[in-house]
Amino acid sequence: AQSVTQPDIHITVSEGASLELRCNYSYGATPYLFWYVQSPGQGLQLLLKYFSGDTLVQGIKGFEAEFKRSQSSFNLRKPSVHWSDAAEYFCAVVSPNRDDKIIFGKGTRLHILP
Amino acid sequence: ETGVTQSPTHLIKTRGQQVTLRCSSQSGHNTVSWYQQALGQGPQFIFQYYREEENGRGNFPPRFSGLQFPNYSSELNVNALELDDSALYLCASSPPADGRAYEQYFGPGTRLTVT
Repeated sequence: AQSVTQPDIHITVSEGASLELRCNYSYGATPYLFWYVQSPGQGLQLLLKYFSGDTLVQGIKGFEAEFKRSQSSFNLRKPSVHWSDAAEYFCAVVSPNRDDKIIFGKGTRLHILP
Repeated sequence: ETGVTQSPTHLIKTRGQQVTLRCSSQSGHNTVSWYQQALGQGPQFIFQYYREEENGRGNFPPRFSGLQFPNYSSELNVNALELDDSALYLCASSPPADGRAYEQYFGPGTRLTVT
């Protein structure tokens, strides 16, 4: 069965420190991959996406993610976090031209220490 | 450019009642998807509408139904509400298929509480 795993429920980092949020997927082929961010009481905002091509993708707000086929991973990174980055982050995948349903991970809550 | 809007923001219903949630898609977007997000969980796909027809459905019972109108706005209807239906309901719209159909732009959601 298709699945998306975000192993870390909560992550705490200090402001200015680097960040990596993990995402692993289980699909028969290379899916389309996404990262979304959700601030409290808000909807989801698309940070970045990977369809094909360069495996390192740049997104908004200084985020980037790297697709690693051999590890079935699509980890989100940021070199230096800001207090405003505190939010919930969701990895999502869709298998194009198969069932086209987007499947979200359960999310990682990011806490920022001043 | 107006983003995705949803109404109402919050709603409290009693078990067994029916509810209708509304969504206006982003300008130029012709596909609307609905998601249920329970507390502490990721969004779960309910269904998607394209050109006023259902275009895919997740694992939700038939009492979850929807509509899409010619202006691409959409409604989510839930009959015979159950306590477990309490959740944030998110609507997302997507641009026409040109490689961007999978980009989802989300509204702020409707918080439904069933008592």
